[in-house]
Amino acid sequence: SQTIHQWPATLVQPVGSPLSLECTVEGTSNPNLYWYRQAAGRGLQLLFYSIGIGQISSEVPQNLSASRPQDRQFILSSKKLLLSDSGFYLCAWSVLRDGAIGSNTEAFFGQGTRLTVV
Amino acid sequence: GQNIDQPTEMTATEGAIVQINCTYQTSGFNGLFWYQQHAGEAPTFLSYNVLDGLEEKGRFSSFLSRSKGYSYLLLKELQMKDSASYLCVTGGYNKLIFGAGTRLAVHP
Repeated sequence: SQTIHQWPATLVQPVGSPLSLECTVEGTSNPNLYWYRQAAGRGLQLLFYSIGIGQISSEVPQNLSASRPQDRQFILSSKKLLLSDSGFYLCAWSVLRDGAIGSNTEAFFGQGTRLTVV
Repeated sequence: GQNIDQPTEMTATEGAIVQINCTYQTSGFNGLFWYQQHAGEAPTFLSYNVLDGLEEKGRFSSFLSRSKGYSYLLLKELQMKDSASYLCVTGGYNKLIFGAGTRLAVHP
């Protein structure tokens, strides 16, 4: 069965410090991978998605970057955190439905990282 | 571009039926998903529609009209544990776009 691991669960970081959040998926190959952010009381905002190793699409301009060094590993980074980077960060994966290009199955989420920038 | 509209909040009584509506505009439609999210937790998948019509799964049903860009989630026999946010999600090209969600409060 497929599982997704995301860590750490909670993180408190000072403004200006770097960030690295890691997400790994087990039990599937060539998944689509996603990073979402959710501010308190708000919906999920898609930050990055990746359809393959080294292929990253950014949805919104921001202080963050993403990398996919291996098929089932997705990393969210920042060189200098801002107060506005606080939020609930969620990693997710999906696979192509019936192998059709661009057609997703449902996404499965990690448990999330609650980041507080102070 | 992509845009998803759903009500911000709804309240309902335990045992009742509630319908949560969603309208969407998207380029490259690849299905409509509904997710449930309890406070402080990750979203969990509820349903998927890619063709017009009603999909039923236990107490939950989801409807889609692609021509109208419209979907709804129907929850029957409401229970207190159904108090959560319900997220309408469109499947675009290689990505899923989430609406802001509808916070449903179920009271006795």
